Amino acid sequence: KAGVTQTPRYLIKTRGQQVTLSCSPISGHRSVSWYQQTPGQGLQFLFEYFSETQRNKGNFPGRFSGRQFSNSRSEMNVSTLELGDSALYLCASSLSAGELFFGEGSRLTVL
Amino acid sequence: SQQGEEDPQALSIQEGENATMNCSYKTSINNLQWYRQNSGRGLVHLILIRSNEREKHSGRLRVTLDTSKKSSSLLITASRAADTASYFCATDGKGAAGNKLTFGGGTRVLVKP
Repeated sequence: KAGVTQTPRYLIKTRGQQVTLSCSPISGHRSVSWYQQTPGQGLQFLFEYFSETQRNKGNFPGRFSGRQFSNSRSEMNVSTLELGDSALYLCASSLSAGELFFGEGSRLTVL
Repeated sequence: SQQGEEDPQALSIQEGENATMNCSYKTSINNLQWYRQNSGRGLVHLILIRSNEREKHSGRLRVTLDTSKKSSSLLITASRAADTASYFCATDGKGAAGNKLTFGGGTRVLVKP
């Protein structure tokens, strides 16, 4: 079974730009969660989608948004990028509440 | 904000020794999980312990949970160089639906060959 796939793996943007990250979950998994990891704040929950609906949301500004498609693939978007948005963005999928299966992450650098 | 605090923040041991790390959390939980992360990569699930369990084993891993103290420990026995990684505890909220996990700050473990 293929694991969680995140694209792109690395990207560089400048302040003010926007970025879209993609996540393909493990086949059959309907829950997709997103996390931001930075050296200063650690791992922080962004949001979770289940069957195309946002089920949980973390404490991030409205510049961070996401969506899930009918095939469970998910995207997250960050608009008006700030230097502090530089981070490793991790996507995880799950069959149900419990064990999360993480992708390798998308490393975003904002210059 | 982070629910959990882990200690120590870093740990250096020789191959074959045991490694113990601790996690404390603040609110009531359904489950507590431990994950491993190799440098800059995705997290790998190690073990899940439910709030009504006190101890759980998986291979060389032993996890304990004390809900009265809101704390957990992860023991890795007979460590190997391949165990070098960061280890994170993660908790959900009691009664919460879905997969909103709060992670601790992590313990960096270095196993010297």
